[in-house]
Amino acid sequence: NAGVTQTPKFQVLKTGQSMTLQCAQDMNHNSMYWYRQDPGMGLRLIYYSASEGTTDKGEVPNGYNVSRLNKREFSLRLESAAPSQTSVYFCASSPTVTSYEQYFGPGTRLTVT
Amino acid sequence: EDQVTQSPEALRLQEGESSSLNCSYTVSGLRGLFWYRQDPGKGPEFLFTLYSAGEEKEKERLKATLTKKESFLHITAPKPEDSATYLCAVHPPSGGYNKLIFGAGTRLAVHP
Repeated sequence: NAGVTQTPKFQVLKTGQSMTLQCAQDMNHNSMYWYRQDPGMGLRLIYYSASEGTTDKGEVPNGYNVSRLNKREFSLRLESAAPSQTSVYFCASSPTVTSYEQYFGPGTRLTVT
Repeated sequence: EDQVTQSPEALRLQEGESSSLNCSYTVSGLRGLFWYRQDPGKGPEFLFTLYSAGEEKEKERLKATLTKKESFLHITAPKPEDSATYLCAVHPPSGGYNKLIFGAGTRLAVHP
């Protein structure tokens, strides 16, 4: 039981490049989330998926897209990376959208130059 | 605007020196307050959920309490392995999804 896994752990992109961050959970959770964490700021919600087949914007969705591939997997795509997207990205899951305990993955540290 | 503020930003303790971390919030009609622990290079790890003023939760050397405007995380006789960043989050009543508003965290260092 690995919990929430994320790939890659580290990534360096040049401005304008695209990439997809992968997230998978094996806890049979319905809801999944993408956050970014910047120094001196709290975690901020980018997108979430309440259940398979649905996605919605969070607090800071601009510049990102998501795909809920199936119940286990939720990916985050940067179509044209910008230096402002340099951050640590965390995926999380919870049993349902009304379950307040969220379980986090280990994070992806992304640098955009 | 819903806001969560944690203090202090950083705290250095000697092993065995008890202290408290503070989380204050401006959310009205709180649905829940959550404490997480985050080790360097890792994702947050869930610790506690508090739902109503007066509620307390304990886990080993940690005890979380909640009032109408703030929460405290009390650390009794800390050990070096308690060193981590402690995050507080609240679930406001607004919004149609499981939105958590996180504070910036308190970095705790416990020295032997």
